[in-house]
Amino acid sequence: GAVVSQHPSRVICKSGTSVKIECRSLDFQATTMFWYRQFPKKSLMLMATSNEGSKATYEQGVEKDKFLINHASLTLSTLTVTSAHPEDSSFYICSAPMTAPSSYNEQFFGPGTRLTVL
Amino acid sequence: KQEVTQIPAALSVPEGENLVLNCSFTDSAIYNLQWFRQDPGKGLTSLLLIQSSQREQTSGRLNASLDKSSGRSTLYIAASQPGDSATYLCAVRPGTSGSRLTFGEGTQLTVNP
Repeated sequence: GAVVSQHPSRVICKSGTSVKIECRSLDFQATTMFWYRQFPKKSLMLMATSNEGSKATYEQGVEKDKFLINHASLTLSTLTVTSAHPEDSSFYICSAPMTAPSSYNEQFFGPGTRLTVL
Repeated sequence: KQEVTQIPAALSVPEGENLVLNCSFTDSAIYNLQWFRQDPGKGLTSLLLIQSSQREQTSGRLNASLDKSSGRSTLYIAASQPGDSATYLCAVRPGTSGSRLTFGEGTQLTVNP
Protein backbone atom coordinates (compact mmCIF):
# COMPACT_ATOMS: atom_id res chain seq x y z
CA GLY A 1 0.00 0.00 0.00
CA ALA A 2 0.86 3.66 -0.17
CA VAL A 3 3.12 5.21 2.44
CA VAL A 4 2.47 8.18 4.67
CA SER A 5 5.22 9.35 6.97
CA GLN A 6 5.16 11.59 10.03
CA HIS A 7 7.96 13.47 11.68
CA PRO A 8 8.87 13.51 14.46
CA SER A 9 7.60 10.24 15.88
CA ARG A 10 7.99 11.50 19.40
CA VAL A 11 8.50 14.95 20.89
CA ILE A 12 8.79 16.25 24.40
CA CYS A 13 8.57 19.98 24.93
CA LYS A 14 8.15 22.55 27.66
CA SER A 15 4.86 24.25 28.27
CA GLY A 16 4.50 27.41 26.19
CA THR A 17 6.59 26.29 23.24
CA SER A 18 5.32 25.49 19.75
CA VAL A 19 5.71 22.13 18.08
CA LYS A 20 5.50 21.38 14.37
CA ILE A 21 4.51 17.94 13.08
CA GLU A 22 4.99 17.03 9.43
CA CYS A 23 2.90 14.61 7.42
CA ARG A 24 4.12 13.46 4.01
CA SER A 25 2.62 11.23 1.37
CA LEU A 26 5.70 9.51 0.00
CA ASP A 27 4.51 7.87 -3.19
CA PHE A 28 1.31 9.66 -4.12
CA GLN A 29 -0.12 13.14 -4.18
CA ALA A 30 -2.75 14.19 -1.70
CA THR A 31 -4.82 17.33 -2.18
CA THR A 32 -6.48 16.53 1.11
CA MET A 33 -5.01 15.25 4.34
CA PHE A 34 -6.62 14.70 7.71
CA TRP A 35 -5.31 15.31 11.20
CA TYR A 36 -6.54 13.22 14.11
CA ARG A 37 -5.95 13.16 17.79
CA GLN A 38 -6.14 9.97 19.81
CA PHE A 39 -6.45 9.65 23.56
CA PRO A 40 -5.38 6.48 25.40
CA LYS A 41 -7.65 3.54 24.68
CA LYS A 42 -9.91 5.73 22.56
CA SER A 43 -10.66 5.94 18.88
CA LEU A 44 -9.47 8.68 16.57
CA MET A 45 -10.95 12.15 16.83
CA LEU A 46 -10.85 14.15 13.62
CA MET A 47 -9.38 17.59 14.28
CA ALA A 48 -9.23 19.15 10.84
CA THR A 49 -9.11 18.61 7.11
CA SER A 50 -6.02 20.01 5.44
CA ASN A 51 -6.57 21.30 1.91
CA GLU A 52 -3.70 21.95 -0.48
CA GLY A 53 -3.62 25.58 -1.51
CA SER A 54 -6.47 26.70 0.73
CA LYS A 55 -7.45 27.03 4.36
CA ALA A 56 -7.94 24.01 6.55
CA THR A 57 -11.40 23.03 7.72
CA TYR A 58 -11.59 22.55 11.46
CA GLU A 59 -14.00 20.36 13.39
CA GLN A 60 -16.27 21.89 15.94
CA GLY A 61 -14.47 22.60 19.19
CA VAL A 62 -10.96 22.59 17.70
CA GLU A 63 -9.17 25.92 18.12
CA LYS A 64 -7.85 27.19 14.81
CA ASP A 65 -5.29 29.47 16.43
CA LYS A 66 -4.08 26.67 18.64
CA PHE A 67 -3.62 24.06 15.95
CA LEU A 68 -2.24 25.71 12.82
CA ILE A 69 -2.39 23.66 9.65
CA ASN A 70 -0.50 24.38 6.46
CA HIS A 71 -0.81 22.23 3.34
CA ALA A 72 2.08 23.67 1.38
CA SER A 73 2.32 21.07 -1.37
CA LEU A 74 0.59 17.99 -2.73
CA THR A 75 2.75 15.78 -0.51
CA LEU A 76 3.16 17.77 2.69
CA SER A 77 0.89 19.00 5.44
CA THR A 78 2.07 20.40 8.75
CA LEU A 79 0.33 20.73 12.10
CA THR A 80 1.74 23.27 14.52
CA VAL A 81 0.63 23.11 18.12
CA THR A 82 1.14 26.66 19.35
CA SER A 83 1.87 27.56 22.97
CA ALA A 84 1.56 23.94 23.96
CA HIS A 85 0.21 23.00 27.37
CA PRO A 86 0.15 19.67 29.19
CA GLU A 87 -3.45 19.07 28.12
CA ASP A 88 -2.24 19.07 24.50
CA SER A 89 -0.22 15.94 25.21
CA SER A 90 -1.62 13.25 22.97
CA PHE A 91 -1.03 11.00 19.99
CA TYR A 92 -1.48 12.88 16.72
CA ILE A 93 -2.05 10.94 13.49
CA CYS A 94 -2.41 12.15 9.94
CA SER A 95 -3.97 10.40 6.98
CA ALA A 96 -4.22 10.92 3.25
CA PRO A 97 -6.66 9.42 0.78
CA MET A 98 -5.13 8.15 -2.43
CA THR A 99 -7.27 9.31 -5.31
CA ALA A 100 -5.04 8.22 -8.19
CA PRO A 101 -4.46 5.85 -9.88
CA SER A 102 -7.19 4.18 -7.86
CA SER A 103 -10.48 5.98 -7.48
CA TYR A 104 -11.29 4.10 -4.30
CA ASN A 105 -9.99 6.87 -2.03
CA GLU A 106 -8.38 4.33 0.24
CA GLN A 107 -6.97 6.18 3.22
CA PHE A 108 -3.45 5.65 4.43
CA PHE A 109 -2.27 6.68 7.84
CA GLY A 110 1.00 7.92 9.18
CA PRO A 111 2.70 6.19 12.12
CA GLY A 112 1.67 8.94 14.52
CA THR A 113 3.47 11.48 16.68
CA ARG A 114 3.51 11.21 20.44
CA LEU A 115 3.53 14.69 21.94
CA THR A 116 4.34 15.16 25.60
CA VAL A 117 4.17 18.66 27.05
CA LEU A 118 5.86 19.09 30.41
CA LYS B 1 -25.05 12.13 11.64
CA GLN B 2 -23.25 8.87 10.93
CA GLU B 3 -22.48 6.72 13.96
CA VAL B 4 -20.29 3.63 13.86
CA THR B 5 -20.41 0.98 16.56
CA GLN B 6 -18.09 -1.95 17.05
CA ILE B 7 -18.90 -5.02 19.08
CA PRO B 8 -17.34 -6.45 21.13
CA ALA B 9 -15.11 -3.76 22.64
CA ALA B 10 -12.61 -6.43 23.66
CA LEU B 11 -12.12 -10.05 22.76
CA SER B 12 -9.70 -12.67 24.03
CA VAL B 13 -9.36 -15.99 22.22
CA PRO B 14 -6.97 -18.94 22.16
CA GLU B 15 -4.61 -19.30 19.24
CA GLY B 16 -6.05 -21.06 16.22
CA GLU B 17 -9.62 -19.97 16.76
CA ASN B 18 -11.67 -18.38 13.98
CA LEU B 19 -13.33 -15.14 15.04
CA VAL B 20 -15.67 -12.42 13.86
CA LEU B 21 -15.54 -8.73 14.62
CA ASN B 22 -18.67 -6.68 14.08
CA CYS B 23 -19.20 -3.14 12.84
CA SER B 24 -22.52 -1.37 12.39
CA PHE B 25 -23.31 2.06 11.01
CA THR B 26 -26.48 4.12 11.15
CA ASP B 27 -26.47 5.77 7.70
CA SER B 28 -26.37 3.28 4.85
CA ALA B 29 -25.42 5.94 2.29
CA ILE B 30 -21.74 5.14 2.38
CA TYR B 31 -19.07 5.31 -0.33
CA ASN B 32 -16.85 2.64 1.18
CA LEU B 33 -15.84 0.99 4.43
CA GLN B 34 -12.33 0.30 5.63
CA TRP B 35 -10.99 -2.04 8.28
CA PHE B 36 -7.79 -1.00 10.02
CA ARG B 37 -5.42 -2.53 12.50
CA GLN B 38 -3.67 -0.49 15.17
CA ASP B 39 -0.85 -1.78 17.34
CA PRO B 40 -0.16 0.02 20.64
CA GLY B 41 1.52 3.38 20.09
CA LYS B 42 1.42 3.00 16.32
CA GLY B 43 -0.52 4.39 13.41
CA LEU B 44 -3.26 2.59 11.51
CA THR B 45 -2.62 -0.10 8.93
CA SER B 46 -5.27 -0.52 6.27
CA LEU B 47 -6.43 -4.14 6.09
CA LEU B 48 -9.34 -4.17 3.69
CA LEU B 49 -11.45 -1.67 1.83
CA ILE B 50 -14.94 -2.55 0.59
CA GLN B 51 -16.69 -0.34 -1.90
CA SER B 52 -20.41 0.24 -1.37
CA SER B 53 -21.17 -1.91 -4.43
CA GLN B 54 -19.18 -4.87 -3.11
CA ARG B 55 -20.25 -7.61 -0.73
CA GLU B 56 -16.88 -8.80 0.51
CA GLN B 57 -13.14 -8.55 0.25
CA THR B 58 -10.49 -11.08 1.16
CA SER B 59 -6.83 -10.79 2.00
CA GLY B 60 -5.04 -13.85 3.29
CA ARG B 61 -6.73 -15.01 6.50
CA LEU B 62 -8.95 -11.94 6.58
CA ASN B 63 -12.38 -11.65 5.05
CA ALA B 64 -14.56 -8.58 5.34
CA SER B 65 -18.21 -8.51 4.37
CA LEU B 66 -20.56 -5.62 3.84
CA ASP B 67 -24.34 -5.50 4.03
CA LYS B 68 -25.00 -1.87 3.25
CA SER B 69 -28.78 -2.06 3.50
CA SER B 70 -28.64 -3.32 7.07
CA GLY B 71 -25.67 -1.12 7.99
CA ARG B 72 -23.35 -3.94 8.95
CA SER B 73 -19.87 -5.20 8.24
CA THR B 74 -17.96 -8.10 9.69
CA LEU B 75 -14.27 -8.88 9.75
CA TYR B 76 -13.55 -12.60 9.83
CA ILE B 77 -10.12 -13.73 10.97
CA ALA B 78 -9.29 -17.36 10.30
CA ALA B 79 -6.87 -19.44 12.35
CA SER B 80 -5.96 -16.58 14.66
CA GLN B 81 -2.35 -16.09 15.75
CA PRO B 82 -0.78 -14.18 18.66
CA GLY B 83 0.53 -11.70 16.10
CA ASP B 84 -3.05 -10.77 15.29
CA SER B 85 -3.36 -9.17 18.73
CA ALA B 86 -4.15 -5.50 18.13
CA THR B 87 -7.05 -3.07 18.05
CA TYR B 88 -9.23 -3.36 14.97
CA LEU B 89 -11.09 -0.30 13.77
CA CYS B 90 -13.72 0.05 11.12
CA ALA B 91 -14.43 3.35 9.41
CA VAL B 92 -16.99 4.45 6.86
CA ARG B 93 -16.71 7.14 4.22
CA PRO B 94 -19.95 8.97 3.40
CA GLY B 95 -21.56 8.69 0.00
CA THR B 96 -21.48 12.44 -0.43
CA SER B 97 -18.40 14.37 -1.45
CA GLY B 98 -15.32 14.41 0.74
CA SER B 99 -13.03 11.72 2.06
CA ARG B 100 -13.47 12.10 5.81
CA LEU B 101 -14.00 8.88 7.70
CA THR B 102 -16.19 8.12 10.68
CA PHE B 103 -14.56 5.62 13.01
CA GLY B 104 -15.90 3.08 15.43
CA GLU B 105 -14.40 2.77 18.89
CA GLY B 106 -12.52 -0.36 17.95
CA THR B 107 -12.28 -3.96 19.14
CA GLN B 108 -9.22 -4.85 21.17
CA LEU B 109 -8.24 -8.39 20.23
CA THR B 110 -5.93 -10.59 22.25
CA VAL B 111 -4.91 -13.97 20.87
CA ASN B 112 -3.38 -16.14 23.54
CA PRO B 113 -0.69 -18.69 22.66
